[in-house]
Amino acid sequence: NAGVTQTPKFQVLKTGQSMTLQCAQDMNHEYMSWYRQDPGMGLRLIHYSVGAGITDQGEVPNGYNVSRSTTEDFPLRLLSAAPSQTSVYFCASSYSGAGYNEQFFGPGTRLTVL
Amino acid sequence: AQTVTQSQPEMSVQEAETVTLSCTYDTSESDYYLFWYKQPPSRQMILVIRQEAYKQQNATENRFSVNFQKAAKSFSLKISDSQLGDAAMYFCAYRRGGNYGGATNKLIFGTGTLLAVQP
Repeated sequence: NAGVTQTPKFQVLKTGQSMTLQCAQDMNHEYMSWYRQDPGMGLRLIHYSVGAGITDQGEVPNGYNVSRSTTEDFPLRLLSAAPSQTSVYFCASSYSGAGYNEQFFGPGTRLTVL
Repeated sequence: AQTVTQSQPEMSVQEAETVTLSCTYDTSESDYYLFWYKQPPSRQMILVIRQEAYKQQNATENRFSVNFQKAAKSFSLKISDSQLGDAAMYFCAYRRGGNYGGATNKLIFGTGTLLAVQP
């Protein structure tokens, strides 16, 4: 049971480049989400999904794209990277619905956009 | 909209002493959860403790306990017998209760408190 995995761990991009941050979980969780962490701002929700084919925007969705074709995977795409997207990105997953559903976090990806 | 505020950007404690980290939140809902997460230098987010709003009893996990004041919307974390391994960034987080589909699972984080433990 690997939990939530993210690749890559580190990435440097130039302004305007595109890339995909990968996230996978093996716990059969319906809910998956992406957060970004910036100094002095905590973690902020980018996008989330409640199941395959269903995604929705979080607090800071601009500049990011997501899709969910399988239960296990939830990639985050940067179509044209900007320096403002320099951040640490976390993927998280949990069961969905009522009651306490612990969210499990991946190890994070540190992205630098030059 | 719900908000979470951590007013202490940095704290320091001597090894074996006790430290309290503060958190306040704002919500109009009555059903919700509150959490404290620890983020060591490894970056991994680790759940330390959780509190259900409907429970009057304060949650406790070994050396970690909370002081949950629902009326005051306050949720502080007390670390007893501090250890060097407790040095980390600590985040307070809120999640609504009930069943609103994906909206139920959204976590709202505070800005964090960086805790240093002095030997």
